[in-house]
Amino acid sequence: GAVVSQHPSWVICKSGTSVKIECRSLDFQATTMFWYRQFPKQSLMLMATSNEGSKATYEQGVEKDKFLINHASLTLSTLTVTSAHPEDSSFYICSARPIAQETQYFGPGTRLLVL
Amino acid sequence: GQQLNQSPQSMFIQEGEDVSMNCTSSSIFNTWLWYKQDPGEGPVLLIALYKAGELTSNGRLTAQFGITRKDSFLNISASIPSDVGIYFCAPSNDYKLSFGAGTTVTVRA
Repeated sequence: GAVVSQHPSWVICKSGTSVKIECRSLDFQATTMFWYRQFPKQSLMLMATSNEGSKATYEQGVEKDKFLINHASLTLSTLTVTSAHPEDSSFYICSARPIAQETQYFGPGTRLLVL
Repeated sequence: GQQLNQSPQSMFIQEGEDVSMNCTSSSIFNTWLWYKQDPGEGPVLLIALYKAGELTSNGRLTAQFGITRKDSFLNISASIPSDVGIYFCAPSNDYKLSFGAGTTVTVRA
């Protein structure tokens, strides 16, 4: 149980284009989903917290207009990197928190390379 | 601000040895989680601790939540090659995780 999927697993795009990443909780409902970013050999950095049906809460320094988050259902959240630039290249990981639990279950991550 | 220190940063161990790592914080946390991350993958939950002083095992893994709620340790007994990876402590308040810097474990066969 507690499986989280992400799609795509990797993506290469041209500078200036937008990329959408999906995060799904496959066997549970998630009130809250989280988006993290991880650079090589570094820890995970929380970008934003997303609650179903409401606006996401962004961490300090994360541009909400650049990283659009939508959490339309209890099993799906999407992250759209708008007008991507090479410095946006990173490993993006989502997590989902089951209702009434404190634990978070992570997706397998999406590697984004912006050329 | 809150400081979270995880140590050691890395370790090389012989197969069969026991491994120990810990995290200390300047703040009190309600929950303490430990994750393992393999290269190119998302973190996998190993152990979740909810009560101060709680000692929990999961196979060869044992973790304890400090009595002050500011620290935790993770032990791996009789390490095997598949224990290779990066281990993160991730204490939580209000459902938001704070991640330690990670402990990279390399096992020599």
